[in-house]
Amino acid sequence: DAGVIQSPRHEVTEMGQEVTLRCKPISGHNSLFWYRQTMMRGLELLIYFNNNVPIDDSGMPEDRFSAKMPNASFSTLKIQPSEPRDSAVYFCASRDTGGTYNEQFFGPGTRLTVL
Amino acid sequence: DQQVKQNSPSLSVQEGRISILNCDYTNSMFDYFLWYKKYPAEGPTFLISISSIKDKNEDGRFTVFLNKSAKHLSLHIVPSQPGDSAVYFCAARGNTDKLIFGTGTRLQVFP
Repeated sequence: DAGVIQSPRHEVTEMGQEVTLRCKPISGHNSLFWYRQTMMRGLELLIYFNNNVPIDDSGMPEDRFSAKMPNASFSTLKIQPSEPRDSAVYFCASRDTGGTYNEQFFGPGTRLTVL
Repeated sequence: DQQVKQNSPSLSVQEGRISILNCDYTNSMFDYFLWYKKYPAEGPTFLISISSIKDKNEDGRFTVFLNKSAKHLSLHIVPSQPGDSAVYFCAARGNTDKLIFGTGTRLQVFP
């Protein structure tokens, strides 16, 4: 299995531009999570989906952020318009809720820089 | 309002000695705790976990201890190896699928 796949790995954009981050979870996993990592706050959960349905988006910072999961193998996190304070590493993780263990499997992350 | 706290941002340990990473939490409803390890430019990877009904879980060189009364858990690595140098995140789970992570501790193991 290729693991969780994220693209792009790096994104540099200018303030005000739209940014779309992509994630392909591990095949068979039915939960998907979007996190943001910053020095000050560590790993923050932004939103998570179970069976493609958003369950908890309380971590989404503001209306500029949106996430979708149109099918079991793909999810997007969109920031529109982007701001310099959005600069961070964004991780996607997936989990099999029917499995024995509780761990989530993380992708390699997308490093976003907003100038 | 950090529910999971790792108060030591960094730790430096000599190879062969014990590394002890600490984590405190505030929510008594957390029932499962995990440790993740993260190398630069990679995503976090699962290391070891413990259920709230236990006070110790061991896996090779790694042992996690849980003190529920103190709302404290710790990760012991012994003996420490240079390849253990990474950022370690503590995480806790309540009655949902959400994991609440700490801010991480950077461990450096030197020869």
